[in-house]
Amino acid sequence: EDQVTQSPEALRLQEGESSSLNCSYTVSGLRGLFWYRQDPGKGPEFLFTLYSAGEEKEKERLKATLTKKESFLHITAPKPEDSATYLCAVQEAGSSASKIIFGSGTRLSIRP
Amino acid sequence: AAGVIQSPRHLIKEKRETATLKCYPIPRHDTVYWYQQGPGQDPQFLISFYEKMQSDKGSIPDRFSAQQFSDYHSELNMSSLELGDSALYFCASRPWTSYNEQFFGPGTRLTVL
Repeated sequence: EDQVTQSPEALRLQEGESSSLNCSYTVSGLRGLFWYRQDPGKGPEFLFTLYSAGEEKEKERLKATLTKKESFLHITAPKPEDSATYLCAVQEAGSSASKIIFGSGTRLSIRP
Repeated sequence: AAGVIQSPRHLIKEKRETATLKCYPIPRHDTVYWYQQGPGQDPQFLISFYEKMQSDKGSIPDRFSAQQFSDYHSELNMSSLELGDSALYFCASRPWTSYNEQFFGPGTRLTVL
């Protein structure tokens, strides 16, 4: 069965302490991998789309990378406002373009 | 920039009542998705529509139905509500011609008492 697994479930960092979040996926073919940020009680906010292994995208303190089996979201020198749940989702190639499969997310907390 | 609009933002219902959630996609987005997110859980895909026709179906209970109208807005109708239906319901939209990301609305928080 297709799966999207994120680790760790929760991560607490000191402000300025860089780290990485992991998203492992098992689909027969990848159409796209998405990273979202979700604040409590709000809808997921789109961050990045990655399509092929080796691809990288950056936005402010965030950088997303993709391999054939996993993606990393690197956070450099985070600030307290980066605290949120980060969701990874995949869209499988060859299937209906409708649905994406979400991981359970990583709850990131940045201490001042 | 215009975003996905959902209404109402909060809804409180009693068990066995019905509820209707509305979603207005981003202009020129013809594909709409509905997701349910329980407390501490990831969003679960319910159903999607393209050009007013159902395009895919996920874990949507038989008590729920949805449709997309000629102006592309969508409504999720929920009947015989149960306590377990309490959740955040998100709508997302994207243009069919793109395989890119889905843009999510702010969600409707449904509480069933």
